[in-house]
Amino acid sequence: AQKITQTQPGMFVQEKEAVTLDCTYDTSDPSYGLFWYKQPSSGEMIFLIYQGSYDQQNATEGRYSLNFQKARKSANLVISASQLGDSAMYFCAMRDFSGSARQLTFGSGTQLTVLP
Amino acid sequence: NAGVTQTPKFQVLKTGQSMTLQCAQDMNHEYMSWYRQDPGMGLRLIHYSVGAGITDQGEVPNGYNVSRSTTEDFPLRLLSAAPSQTSVYFCASSYSGRSGELFFGEGSRLTVL
Repeated sequence: AQKITQTQPGMFVQEKEAVTLDCTYDTSDPSYGLFWYKQPSSGEMIFLIYQGSYDQQNATEGRYSLNFQKARKSANLVISASQLGDSAMYFCAMRDFSGSARQLTFGSGTQLTVLP
Repeated sequence: NAGVTQTPKFQVLKTGQSMTLQCAQDMNHEYMSWYRQDPGMGLRLIHYSVGAGITDQGEVPNGYNVSRSTTEDFPLRLLSAAPSQTSVYFCASSYSGRSGELFFGEGSRLTVL
């Protein structure tokens, strides 16, 4: 069974600094994908970034990058130059590629607060 | 560009009542799913569907029923509401590719008294 662990219930970062949100996962499938979502206080779920298990390079999307360490089974999200609007809940999620299922398994989330 | 539309956004029920959360997507996605979000527990999968006429259970299916008669619609039925079903419910869809992200509806906040 898949499992996603986010060990930081809450994080604080100073505006304009970088922050790393931790995510570890457990799966027996050699082929999988990792996703990060942002949930602001308004409640919607916003897709940020994707990393495939066989991708050679770490994914980047603007100020977001994914520090993927396959051997350690970790997929940490790095946000550079934090902005006040980055204050939100962040969820890590995983999809195994076995079979036809497309469901994502989510971690419990990290609440990020950006301080002015 | 509607994406994934959920209704209602808010609902209050009494214990034992039934109701249906509606979900519709206009992106021709094969895959649709329902999650519930509770504090400290992330999102947990209730039911999902990989195409019209095909549904399956997720992690927390008890007390919920789904059907998928069309590609667009995936309603979630609460058969006899219980206080433990107080939660925020999200419908989500994706295309069939492995890297396809889930597109979420805005969520439905349900309170069962």
